Amino acid sequence: DQQVKQNSPSLSVQEGRISILNCDYTNSMFDYFLWYKKYPAEGPTFLISISSIKDKNEDGRFTVFLNKSAKHLSLHIVPSQPGDSAVYFCAASAGYSGGGADGLTFGKGTHLIIQP
Amino acid sequence: DAGITQSPRHKVTETGTPVTLRCHQTENHRYMYWYRQDPGHGLRLIHYSYGVKDTDKGEVSDGYSVSRSKTEDFLLTLESATSSQTSVYFCAISAAARGQETQYFGPGTRLLVL
Repeated sequence: DQQVKQNSPSLSVQEGRISILNCDYTNSMFDYFLWYKKYPAEGPTFLISISSIKDKNEDGRFTVFLNKSAKHLSLHIVPSQPGDSAVYFCAASAGYSGGGADGLTFGKGTHLIIQP
Repeated sequence: DAGITQSPRHKVTETGTPVTLRCHQTENHRYMYWYRQDPGHGLRLIHYSYGVKDTDKGEVSDGYSVSRSKTEDFLLTLESATSSQTSVYFCAISAAARGQETQYFGPGTRLLVL
């Protein structure tokens, strides 16, 4: 059973507009969430994370929102740029916020395409 | 990039042969991980290590073993490779970035089992 779900395999957004990527989770033990970006033939690159004690975290053009009651998080990218075209993975962990621990559970990814 | 290298970067092997993939890090991180990525599955945890000679199984550990005899190296061994182990393998370490805990990933090893 998938514990982290990204239900949109792909998303197309015009350059300069907002990109919103969604992620749902089922395991209520998850308390730390991360977003990664991945280009072909490269390893995933960390973008931003959020602890369950927060509902929002911002880092430059990237903002992650967490709705614990709905077990839902979203990544907002504003403004979207051509270099943002990549696959985005949502990941979650239980008890990770202190570092280390048991590894991450990933969603299947969303392919974001930024159109000029 | 947290000083993570993986070798080899590409490998073709035959069913039934043993294969060892190497992950090397230069920054003395305690936690190391092996994941595999397959179409339609995202990344899945194979094994992880929380110190020298301390390892544990992840979600998809069957058919794999690991060893960590020194801090900087984490080896993944496919004891008898099968076609279902054709995949891209990523090593990761745990570290802090911009005040946030995260995992940094290596560039990956693409393995084809014929």
